[in-house]
Amino acid sequence: GEDVEQSLFLSVREGDSSVINCTYTDSSSTYLYWYKQEPGAGLQLLTYIFSNMDMKQDQRLTVLLNKKDKHLSLRIADTQTGDSAIYFCAETPFRSSNTGKLIFGQGTTLQVKP
Amino acid sequence: GAGVSQSPSNKVTEKGKDVELRCDPISGHTALYWYRQSLGQGLEFLIYFQGNSAPDKSGLPSDRFSAERTGGSVSTLTIQRTQQEDSAVYLCASSVTGIAVHNEQFFGPGTRLTVL
Repeated sequence: GEDVEQSLFLSVREGDSSVINCTYTDSSSTYLYWYKQEPGAGLQLLTYIFSNMDMKQDQRLTVLLNKKDKHLSLRIADTQTGDSAIYFCAETPFRSSNTGKLIFGQGTTLQVKP
Repeated sequence: GAGVSQSPSNKVTEKGKDVELRCDPISGHTALYWYRQSLGQGLEFLIYFQGNSAPDKSGLPSDRFSAERTGGSVSTLTIQRTQQEDSAVYLCASSVTGIAVHNEQFFGPGTRLTVL
C-alpha cells in the first residue's frame, strides 16, 4: 500500500539544526520530495531525491534516504525563524510514475524560537 | 501566468449546495492535479489531467465530486450536495508534464471551503 508518516511537530532554537523525519511504505517509490508550506501560501518544492541516491545536499538542506528502512529525513542547518512552516514529505510510487501523482505525509510543523 | 491561481480563495456554503472551484495552471503546463488538505491530514490526491488523455479520477472520494479541464488549460472542480466533511483546503497544481521522471508540481494558494 501507499502510506507516508511524519511526526506532527518540531520545535528548535534559531541557529540549531532541525531534522524532520518521514517513513514510507511503498518500496517502489521513484522520487521522494520535501515541500514547504508557509501560512496562507501554496506548497513550495524544497528539494527531492531519486530513489537510487542516499544523500543530497543543497545549501542548508541535506536529504538522507535509507531505502532499507524506508526512511527519509530533511536536515536544515542553522535554522532561521523564516524556516518556520509546515514541511511535507511526499513520494511518487512507481505505479504512479506515468502520472506523477504524489502521496503526501501529514506534514510536520516546524517552530523556530528566537 | 506567473503561477498557478485559484478562485475563490475562500468559499463558505451551506450543506447540500453545489460549489465550483477554479484553477488556472501555469501557461504551457500539460499536467494538472487537484489535491485536498483536510485539517490534521496530509494532502490527498483527487484527480489528474494530462493533455487530452482521459483523467485519472482514482482519488475522487465520491460521485459528488467531478472535475473538468477545458481546452487543456483551466480546470473546474465541482462538488455537488456538499457535506460538512467536504470542508478542507482544495489545492491545484500543474507541471510541465506528468509523464515519468521528476516533474516539479507548482501549487496554487488553494481554496478554503467551509460547509456549514
